[in-house]
Amino acid sequence: ETGVTQTPRHLVMGMTNKKSLKCEQHLGHNAMYWYKQSAKKPLELMFVYNFKEQTENNSVPSRFSPECPNSSHLFLHLHTLQPEDSALYLCASSQEGLAYIGELFFGEGSRLTVL
Amino acid sequence: AQKVTQAQTEISVVEKEDVTLDCVYETRDTTYYLFWYKQPPSGELVFLIRRNSFDEQNEISGRYSWNFQKSTSSFNFTITASQVVDSAVYFCALSEFFGGYNKLIFGAGTRLAVHP
Repeated sequence: ETGVTQTPRHLVMGMTNKKSLKCEQHLGHNAMYWYKQSAKKPLELMFVYNFKEQTENNSVPSRFSPECPNSSHLFLHLHTLQPEDSALYLCASSQEGLAYIGELFFGEGSRLTVL
Repeated sequence: AQKVTQAQTEISVVEKEDVTLDCVYETRDTTYYLFWYKQPPSGELVFLIRRNSFDEQNEISGRYSWNFQKSTSSFNFTITASQVVDSAVYFCALSEFFGGYNKLIFGAGTRLAVHP
């Protein structure tokens, strides 16, 4: 099992569809992240969950809805997306402490195309 | 505001050449962390190194080396004797210490192409 697994790897959806991206980490980490990577834009942090609690929502539109049912799984629910939401969505996890910053381990990403 | 600048958008070299990827950062924090990640065509970002702001020692790992200079706010990455497998996009990132999670600010990335 690789450290961080994302499914599906590719997704094509219409603007009225509802779909979900899934992320699973097998590293025993306590923090999980969603990043968005668009062409010609730097990687953007979308959401962070620490110990299953959402600690960051980086002004993301409500058409993106995260869910973290436990410390190993993270979902990104998608509905009524726009073509400009087409991007590579990367999930990551890390082990964090009050006095320690860990490195992020990333999955291979889910390539989303919105028609 | 925090910022990471990777001025080199694309670099093209021939195998066995040495190549340096530049990274300049801005922060008002005295405690911070710097990272380098590699993104091959598969898409996954692969962690290469983490350095905290109190450790200015340079580091070497095989063909990779890193030069951290607080005086110039730079954290440059050198690949010695480059190989075709080094072709990827390389990201430099800066993290604030939030005591709970790692908020990474990424640079725009440098695309490295190593030709045989």
